[in-house]
Amino acid sequence: AQKVTQAQTEISVVEKEDVTLDCVYETRDTTYYLFWYKQPPSGELVFLIRRNSFDEQNEISGRYSWNFQKSTSSFNFTITASQVVDSAVYFCALRYNNNDMRFGAGTRLTVKP
Amino acid sequence: KAGVTQTPRYLIKTRGQQVTLSCSPISGHRSVSWYQQTPGQGLQFLFEYFSETQRNKGNFPGRFSGRQFSNSRSEMNVSTLELGDSALYLCASRLDSPSYNEQFFGPGTRLTVL
Repeated sequence: AQKVTQAQTEISVVEKEDVTLDCVYETRDTTYYLFWYKQPPSGELVFLIRRNSFDEQNEISGRYSWNFQKSTSSFNFTITASQVVDSAVYFCALRYNNNDMRFGAGTRLTVKP
Repeated sequence: KAGVTQTPRYLIKTRGQQVTLSCSPISGHRSVSWYQQTPGQGLQFLFEYFSETQRNKGNFPGRFSGRQFSNSRSEMNVSTLELGDSALYLCASRLDSPSYNEQFFGPGTRLTVL
């Protein structure tokens, strides 16, 4: 079965703390893509990153970093020195079979000043 | 480049009515997907259109339908509305290239069924 699990429903941190959002996926496909999206209170999902199954290189973009590990089927997202503006719901997603897309349930991150 | 646009942004209907939502993808994107987002069920895939053809379909009843026009704009229709159809409906477009297949989402249409 194709599945994305975000076990953390809600996380609350204080500004400047580091926080890691977990994502575990299941797929039988050898070619697949993983994504992270941010959904602020306005409702629009904002694309953050895409990774394909053949590229396990970790990525850093400013305060954001992603750790992709095929051995554990995980694609975790870390925010360093969190800020209030990072407060949002974050979704991990899996594209498989070239077109099918499955989203995790989302993790609501609250960053308190 | 303009992003994905959706109209209307908010809609209030009553049970039994039907509704049509519209989505204009990013210029050059031929794939348009629709999602329903509710607090209880999360983000659920409705269907995807590519070049005016439905390419993929989620597990929703036949009351939910869609179409895509030659300019890639897409509409979604829900007939015989039920209270449970109240949700945020999101449209997303993508290039449909293996190297650039991330979806870009519109702001959504919030539908309330009374």
